[in-house]
Amino acid sequence: GNSVTQMEGPVTLSEEAFLTINCTYTATGYPSLFWYVQYPGEGLQLLLKATKADDKGSNKGFEATYRKETTSFHLEKGSVQVSDSAVYFCALHPMNSGGYQKVTFGIGTKLQVIP
Amino acid sequence: DTGVSQNPRHKITKRGQNVTFRCDPISEHNRLYWYRQTLGQGPEFLTYFQNEAQLEKSRLLSDRFSAERPKGSFSTLEIQRTEQGDSAMYLCASSPTVDSGNTIYFGEGSWLTVV
Repeated sequence: GNSVTQMEGPVTLSEEAFLTINCTYTATGYPSLFWYVQYPGEGLQLLLKATKADDKGSNKGFEATYRKETTSFHLEKGSVQVSDSAVYFCALHPMNSGGYQKVTFGIGTKLQVIP
Repeated sequence: DTGVSQNPRHKITKRGQNVTFRCDPISEHNRLYWYRQTLGQGPEFLTYFQNEAQLEKSRLLSDRFSAERPKGSFSTLEIQRTEQGDSAMYLCASSPTVDSGNTIYFGEGSWLTVV
């Protein structure tokens, strides 16, 4: 079956530090890969996605590259801000699972950015 | 606001009581999903509707849980005889029939606390 492994947090960084959150996956076929962000007390927001190998997703200064050879989709940001404090979920959207999206999520990594 | 809408956002109930959550998907979306997120975990798939037909149910959905989508528009998730282990956030999501880059759209979630 499909699975997503992401680094456990919490991750605590100072403002303007470089962020990496590791994510690896196992899947059959060619899934799409997503990062979601969840702010305290809120639902999931799509942060970025990549639908095929070597694609790079980017949004709000965050980036992640779909690496098929290492089955990875690590999230990076060059300079984090206090407002980036949230929980980040790596997720796998399977390819054509009957035409609908049965998403597999990682455990989530809590990021805390301190001024 | 044309996003996925969930009500109520928060519900505190006594053990043994029944609760019902409602989800209004994005209007043109035929596909509707329910996920459950417990504290410190990523969301887990519960069930999927294509229009009014419930096409898949997770083993996580015990007999006390029932989901409906009677007219293919809004959906309800009812939990009977609630237990403390049911405390979680229940997320609804929707997606169009035509593939939109494998993207699904999540609501803000409904928090359930069973005391």
